[in-house]
Amino acid sequence: EVQLQESGPGLVKPSQSLSLTCSVTGYSITSNYWGWIRKFPGNKMEWMGYISYSGSTSYNPSLKSRISITRDTSKNQFFLQLNSVTTEDTATYYCARYMYTTDYFDYWGQGVMVTVSS
Amino acid sequence: EIVLTQSPTTMAASPGEKVTLTCRASSSVSYMHWYQQRSGASPKLWIYETSKLASGVPNRFSGSGSGTSYSLTINSMETEDAATYYCQQGSSYPWTFGGGTKLELK
Repeated sequence: EVQLQESGPGLVKPSQSLSLTCSVTGYSITSNYWGWIRKFPGNKMEWMGYISYSGSTSYNPSLKSRISITRDTSKNQFFLQLNSVTTEDTATYYCARYMYTTDYFDYWGQGVMVTVSS
Repeated sequence: EIVLTQSPTTMAASPGEKVTLTCRASSSVSYMHWYQQRSGASPKLWIYETSKLASGVPNRFSGSGSGTSYSLTINSMETEDAATYYCQQGSSYPWTFGGGTKLELK
């Protein structure tokens, strides 16, 4: 069974970078697509971006200048980096497997809550 | 960007009651996907490509719609169905989510 687990710091200072890891078991990240989604306080959800089986990426234009998604295939992990964070980046961050055919997310991690505060 | 508007925002249903949740898109989309999120848990794919039930989803659930109007229906509400349901479109970049409908047990 596909399982995903996010990890990373729960507290980040404003203007710093947020870095999260998604560890995948039960499936190779060199197959399929893998994405990041966040859920803000108040329930709004935002698709952030994805990385493909080949390493190509696509990002939400609202984040394009600040976001980077990379991977380590030897560890079957992919990563999120979000630069120059503000308090508005406070959210629960999820990684998920992304089905490219009709664009939905079929397996999700448990999520990690990240607070941006000084 | 396509905006998805879900209604109602919150509702309560009694066991056995039929429930319909609606998702309206600001422009036409080809498919709608739905996720269930129970309190304290991560979202789960519930319905994909408008009407296909994800693995393990009870058949009292159904999905329908086209163009700008989609719905998720529960034929007979059960206790375990209390959750927040989100719609999501993948027809137009960037993919977007609705604001969710919180379904409570009456």
